Amino acid sequence: KAGVTQTPRYLIKTRGQQVTLSCSPISGHRSVSWYQQTPGQGLQFLFEYFSETQRNKGNFPGRFSGRQFSNSRSEMNVSTLELGDSALYLCASSSMTVTEAFFGQGTRLTVV
Amino acid sequence: QKEVEQNSGPLSVPEGAIASLNCTYSDRGSQSFFWYRQYSGKSPELIMSIYSNGDKEDGRFTAQLNKASQYVSLLIRDSQPSDSATYLCAVGDNQGGKLIFGQGTELSVKP
Repeated sequence: KAGVTQTPRYLIKTRGQQVTLSCSPISGHRSVSWYQQTPGQGLQFLFEYFSETQRNKGNFPGRFSGRQFSNSRSEMNVSTLELGDSALYLCASSSMTVTEAFFGQGTRLTVV
Repeated sequence: QKEVEQNSGPLSVPEGAIASLNCTYSDRGSQSFFWYRQYSGKSPELIMSIYSNGDKEDGRFTAQLNKASQYVSLLIRDSQPSDSATYLCAVGDNQGGKLIFGQGTELSVKP
Protein backbone atom coordinates (compact mmCIF):
# COMPACT_ATOMS: atom_id res chain seq x y z
CA LYS A 1 0.00 0.00 0.00
CA ALA A 2 1.51 3.30 -1.05
CA GLY A 3 2.11 5.91 1.61
CA VAL A 4 1.38 9.61 1.62
CA THR A 5 3.04 11.34 -1.31
CA GLN A 6 4.00 15.00 -1.28
CA THR A 7 5.32 16.98 -4.19
CA PRO A 8 7.62 18.68 -4.72
CA ARG A 9 10.16 17.64 -2.10
CA TYR A 10 12.11 20.88 -2.26
CA LEU A 11 11.25 24.40 -3.35
CA ILE A 12 13.08 27.69 -3.41
CA LYS A 13 10.94 30.77 -3.90
CA THR A 14 11.42 34.52 -3.74
CA ARG A 15 9.61 36.80 -1.31
CA GLY A 16 6.29 37.93 -2.71
CA GLN A 17 5.79 34.88 -4.90
CA GLN A 18 3.15 32.23 -4.32
CA VAL A 19 3.55 28.47 -4.06
CA THR A 20 1.32 25.42 -4.35
CA LEU A 21 2.12 22.15 -2.60
CA SER A 22 0.44 18.84 -3.35
CA CYS A 23 -0.45 15.83 -1.21
CA SER A 24 -1.83 12.45 -2.24
CA PRO A 25 -3.13 10.52 0.78
CA ILE A 26 -3.04 6.82 1.43
CA SER A 27 -5.63 5.06 -0.70
CA GLY A 28 -8.97 5.03 1.10
CA HIS A 29 -8.08 7.84 3.49
CA ARG A 30 -10.46 10.77 3.32
CA SER A 31 -8.90 13.09 5.88
CA VAL A 32 -5.91 15.19 4.92
CA SER A 33 -4.28 17.63 7.29
CA TRP A 34 -1.39 20.03 6.80
CA TYR A 35 1.29 21.10 9.27
CA GLN A 36 4.16 23.55 9.27
CA GLN A 37 7.34 22.54 11.07
CA THR A 38 10.03 25.04 12.05
CA PRO A 39 12.86 24.71 14.57
CA GLY A 40 11.42 27.45 16.76
CA GLN A 41 7.71 26.65 16.69
CA GLY A 42 7.69 22.90 16.20
CA LEU A 43 4.78 21.25 14.40
CA GLN A 44 1.84 23.59 13.96
CA PHE A 45 -1.53 22.69 12.48
CA LEU A 46 -2.59 24.56 9.35
CA PHE A 47 -5.88 22.97 8.31
CA GLU A 48 -7.71 19.71 7.79
CA TYR A 49 -9.99 18.54 4.99
CA PHE A 50 -12.43 15.68 4.97
CA SER A 51 -14.49 14.82 1.90
CA GLU A 52 -13.57 18.13 0.25
CA THR A 53 -14.68 20.21 3.27
CA GLN A 54 -12.36 22.16 5.52
CA ARG A 55 -13.30 21.10 9.04
CA ASN A 56 -10.65 22.79 11.09
CA LYS A 57 -8.20 25.61 10.62
CA GLY A 58 -5.17 26.64 12.62
CA ASN A 59 -4.00 30.07 13.56
CA PHE A 60 -2.33 31.10 10.33
CA PRO A 61 -2.95 34.19 8.17
CA GLY A 62 -5.27 34.07 5.19
CA ARG A 63 -2.26 33.80 2.87
CA PHE A 64 -2.35 30.11 3.69
CA SER A 65 -5.18 28.26 1.98
CA GLY A 66 -5.97 24.78 0.87
CA ARG A 67 -8.43 22.57 -0.89
CA GLN A 68 -9.27 18.94 -1.35
CA PHE A 69 -10.43 17.22 -4.50
CA SER A 70 -12.98 14.46 -4.94
CA ASN A 71 -10.19 11.85 -5.08
CA SER A 72 -9.00 13.10 -1.64
CA ARG A 73 -5.83 14.63 -3.05
CA SER A 74 -5.13 17.98 -1.43
CA GLU A 75 -3.23 21.14 -2.25
CA MET A 76 -2.14 23.99 -0.10
CA ASN A 77 -1.27 27.43 -1.39
CA VAL A 78 0.76 30.18 0.20
CA SER A 79 0.52 33.59 -1.41
CA THR A 80 2.79 36.59 -1.00
CA LEU A 81 5.57 34.53 0.51
CA GLU A 82 7.54 35.90 3.44
CA LEU A 83 10.97 34.84 4.70
CA GLY A 84 9.28 33.41 7.80
CA ASP A 85 7.34 30.95 5.66
CA SER A 86 10.52 28.94 5.18
CA ALA A 87 9.71 25.61 6.78
CA LEU A 88 9.02 21.94 6.29
CA TYR A 89 5.39 21.51 5.23
CA LEU A 90 3.94 18.17 6.14
CA CYS A 91 0.78 16.49 5.00
CA ALA A 92 -0.85 13.68 6.97
CA SER A 93 -3.69 11.39 6.05
CA SER A 94 -6.04 9.33 8.17
CA SER A 95 -9.13 7.28 7.58
CA MET A 96 -11.29 9.08 10.13
CA THR A 97 -11.17 11.94 12.58
CA VAL A 98 -8.50 11.86 15.29
CA THR A 99 -7.37 8.37 14.46
CA GLU A 100 -3.89 7.41 13.42
CA ALA A 101 -2.40 9.92 11.01
CA PHE A 102 0.45 9.08 8.66
CA PHE A 103 2.79 11.72 7.35
CA GLY A 104 4.28 12.22 3.94
CA GLN A 105 7.94 13.02 3.43
CA GLY A 106 7.23 16.74 3.44
CA THR A 107 8.05 19.67 1.21
CA ARG A 108 11.00 21.79 2.27
CA LEU A 109 10.22 25.38 1.30
CA THR A 110 12.92 28.01 1.35
CA VAL A 111 11.96 31.65 0.78
CA VAL A 112 14.81 33.94 -0.21
CA GLN B 1 -5.20 27.28 24.26
CA LYS B 2 -4.77 23.51 24.31
CA GLU B 3 -1.20 22.56 25.07
CA VAL B 4 1.04 19.53 25.06
CA GLU B 5 4.23 19.65 27.07
CA GLN B 6 7.34 17.50 26.78
CA ASN B 7 10.81 17.75 28.23
CA SER B 8 12.99 18.89 25.35
CA GLY B 9 15.98 16.86 26.48
CA PRO B 10 18.32 15.76 25.23
CA LEU B 11 17.78 12.50 27.04
CA SER B 12 20.82 10.29 26.93
CA VAL B 13 20.68 6.60 27.81
CA PRO B 14 23.20 3.75 27.34
CA GLU B 15 22.50 1.01 24.86
CA GLY B 16 20.28 -1.69 26.36
CA ALA B 17 18.71 0.61 28.95
CA ILE B 18 15.10 1.70 29.25
CA ALA B 19 14.31 5.16 27.87
CA SER B 20 11.35 6.92 29.46
CA LEU B 21 9.68 9.82 27.64
CA ASN B 22 6.94 11.88 29.22
CA CYS B 23 4.17 14.15 28.05
CA THR B 24 1.39 16.14 29.72
CA TYR B 25 -1.63 17.73 28.09
CA SER B 26 -4.01 20.47 29.11
CA ASP B 27 -7.38 19.42 27.64
CA ARG B 28 -9.06 17.00 30.04
CA GLY B 29 -11.51 15.95 27.31
CA SER B 30 -8.81 14.58 25.00
CA GLN B 31 -9.49 11.07 23.77
CA SER B 32 -6.62 10.08 21.48
CA PHE B 33 -2.89 10.10 22.01
CA PHE B 34 0.02 9.32 19.74
CA TRP B 35 3.78 9.00 19.76
CA TYR B 36 5.79 9.82 16.67
CA ARG B 37 9.48 9.33 16.02
CA GLN B 38 11.31 11.80 13.82
CA TYR B 39 14.84 11.26 12.59
CA SER B 40 16.82 14.34 11.66
CA GLY B 41 15.78 15.60 8.23
CA LYS B 42 12.89 13.14 7.97
CA SER B 43 9.15 13.31 8.55
CA PRO B 44 7.40 12.03 11.70
CA GLU B 45 6.69 8.31 11.82
CA LEU B 46 3.81 6.98 13.92
CA ILE B 47 5.03 4.40 16.43
CA MET B 48 2.23 4.15 19.01
CA SER B 49 -1.37 5.17 19.52
CA ILE B 50 -3.33 4.86 22.76
CA TYR B 51 -6.93 5.69 23.56
CA SER B 52 -7.67 4.05 26.95
CA ASN B 53 -6.14 4.34 30.38
CA GLY B 54 -3.39 1.85 31.09
CA ASP B 55 -0.54 0.34 29.13
CA LYS B 56 -0.25 -0.64 25.50
CA GLU B 57 2.73 -2.68 24.37
CA ASP B 58 4.15 -3.13 20.87
CA GLY B 59 7.50 -4.87 20.70
CA ARG B 60 10.05 -2.84 22.63
CA PHE B 61 7.64 0.09 22.99
CA THR B 62 5.08 0.62 25.76
CA ALA B 63 2.73 3.57 25.86
CA GLN B 64 1.11 4.48 29.16
CA LEU B 65 -1.92 6.72 29.56
CA ASN B 66 -3.35 8.25 32.73
CA LYS B 67 -6.26 10.52 31.86
CA ALA B 68 -6.86 11.56 35.47
CA SER B 69 -3.33 12.95 35.65
CA GLN B 70 -3.40 14.08 31.98
CA TYR B 71 -0.18 12.23 31.40
CA VAL B 72 1.15 10.04 28.60
CA SER B 73 4.48 8.26 28.53
CA LEU B 74 6.51 6.11 26.19
CA LEU B 75 8.94 3.48 27.40
CA ILE B 76 11.54 2.05 25.05
CA ARG B 77 13.08 -1.16 26.36
CA ASP B 78 16.52 -2.44 25.28
CA SER B 79 17.30 0.93 23.67
CA GLN B 80 19.40 0.78 20.52
CA PRO B 81 21.52 3.49 18.86
CA SER B 82 19.00 3.37 16.00
CA ASP B 83 16.37 4.67 18.46
CA SER B 84 18.24 7.98 18.62
CA ALA B 85 15.72 10.49 17.29
CA THR B 86 13.24 13.14 18.41
CA TYR B 87 10.06 11.71 19.90
CA LEU B 88 6.91 13.76 19.47
CA CYS B 89 3.84 13.42 21.66
CA ALA B 90 0.57 14.33 19.91
CA VAL B 91 -2.94 14.69 21.26
CA GLY B 92 -6.03 14.56 19.05
CA ASP B 93 -8.30 17.59 19.09
CA ASN B 94 -11.88 16.37 19.25
CA GLN B 95 -12.98 19.09 16.85
CA GLY B 96 -11.77 17.30 13.81
CA GLY B 97 -8.58 16.05 12.33
CA LYS B 98 -6.18 18.18 14.28
CA LEU B 99 -3.23 16.91 16.25
CA ILE B 100 -1.61 19.10 18.88
CA PHE B 101 2.08 18.33 19.16
CA GLY B 102 4.56 18.81 21.94
CA GLN B 103 7.95 20.27 21.11
CA GLY B 104 9.53 16.83 21.14
CA THR B 105 12.15 15.09 23.26
CA GLU B 106 15.52 14.37 21.69
CA LEU B 107 16.75 10.90 22.64
CA SER B 108 20.35 9.82 22.27
CA VAL B 109 21.28 6.17 22.82
CA LYS B 110 25.01 5.73 23.39
CA PRO B 111 26.72 2.46 22.35
